Amino acid sequence: DGGITQSPKYLFRKEGQNVTLSCEQNLNHDAMYWYRQDPGQGLRLIYYSQIVNDFQKGDIAEGYSVSREKKESFPLTVTSAQKNPTAFYLCASANPASGSADTQYFGPGTRLTVL
Amino acid sequence: GDSVTQMEGPVTLSEEAFLTINCTYTATGYPSLFWYVQYPGEGLQLLLKATKADDKGSNKGFEATYRKETTSFHLEKGSVQVSDSAVYFCALSDTGGGADGLTFGKGTHLIIQP
Repeated sequence: DGGITQSPKYLFRKEGQNVTLSCEQNLNHDAMYWYRQDPGQGLRLIYYSQIVNDFQKGDIAEGYSVSREKKESFPLTVTSAQKNPTAFYLCASANPASGSADTQYFGPGTRLTVL
Repeated sequence: GDSVTQMEGPVTLSEEAFLTINCTYTATGYPSLFWYVQYPGEGLQLLLKATKADDKGSNKGFEATYRKETTSFHLEKGSVQVSDSAVYFCALSDTGGGADGLTFGKGTHLIIQP
């Protein structure tokens, strides 16, 4: 079955540590996205990538980094510079070539808690 | 910049009641509009979409009509079920093809009581 997987589902981190969240898709989509979800604030865009080896900052990129070395993978690193990293992180993908470029498909999410 | 405003929750209804969740938007271009649904502990699922004025998106008994004159995209369902309990997000994409990401509202928590 095609889809988006995120791992792990739950992640705990000590203050001052970097942590990497995984996102993999087998939908053959060119575009991938990372969003952060906080209670009562909806989703906010962290980073996005429209093609391999290229990515752009979203609205809240500070304290995060990404890479896009393969079409199917878009890992997100939460660095120690992120002041309030506890949140639910959602990865999504879309296929601009399909004519439905703006329809994004989401993974199940990773809940990060800083101890 | 672009923004989406949706009614605050939680919204609590009895089973078989009529549902309306209001959504209005501001955008510089001609956006596509979406409703996504999120069940507890899960990611978002696309519920329906509309890409031009007067289009009606529909799925699983839910409907929403793209109203350009009122910049609205209200979600409706004629008879809700307990299984419809979830958080509903209204969203828009304003760039060409939406490749730069979606703008979301804050979400509306819907609770359906038996």
